[in-house]
Amino acid sequence: QKEVEQNSGPLSVPEGAIASLNCTYSDRGSQSFFWYRQYSGKSPELIMSIYSNGDKEDGRFTAQLNKASQYVSLLIRDSQPSDSATYLCAVYLETSGSRLTFGEGTQLTVNP
Amino acid sequence: DGGITQSPKYLFRKEGQNVTLSCEQNLNHDAMYWYRQDPGQGLRLIYYSQIVNDFQKGDIAEGYSVSREKKESFPLTVTSAQKNPTAFYLCASSSRTRALNTEAFFGQGTRLTVV
Repeated sequence: QKEVEQNSGPLSVPEGAIASLNCTYSDRGSQSFFWYRQYSGKSPELIMSIYSNGDKEDGRFTAQLNKASQYVSLLIRDSQPSDSATYLCAVYLETSGSRLTFGEGTQLTVNP
Repeated sequence: DGGITQSPKYLFRKEGQNVTLSCEQNLNHDAMYWYRQDPGQGLRLIYYSQIVNDFQKGDIAEGYSVSREKKESFPLTVTSAQKNPTAFYLCASSSRTRALNTEAFFGQGTRLTVV
């Protein structure tokens, strides 16, 4: 089992739809979770951080965390073509010395 | 401006040559990381450091070396032992607040090519 696993892509949604991205992690001791967006050829940029169970909303983005199920997700409402990018889930693996570990990423395409 | 600076942006290496990638941050972050990214792939951890003068191997440390002599700096050397070094290298830093690791911020990356 991979330490951080994302749903396989690529994911394609029409403009204005909701895009749903999922991530599971193996370390029950993890406390800090992040979503990054990466455009082709660029470095990752932080979209959301979440530390507590439940939902966290920031504009069109909502992060959801369920520590019991070891699951974190990202919802993008009213998707825009500019949201087309690769989305990376990142988790600090506390039982491995606080290593910041990334999933493989999910490529999202928003079609006009 | 506070941030992370990687240099150079592009680097070409001949077979059998060691090269060093620079990473400097002025965010006063304790932790620093090096990742490698191959085309269409995720980020793989090479080395990380939580404090000065200490660092740990990540998942793909073979053929790489690092040092952490100053809080602000975490250079990565790609040695001749790394047989397939062509990749996009990313440096990141983060801090720890109230026993939680906070978000990591990235430099702009160094694209290394073997010629």
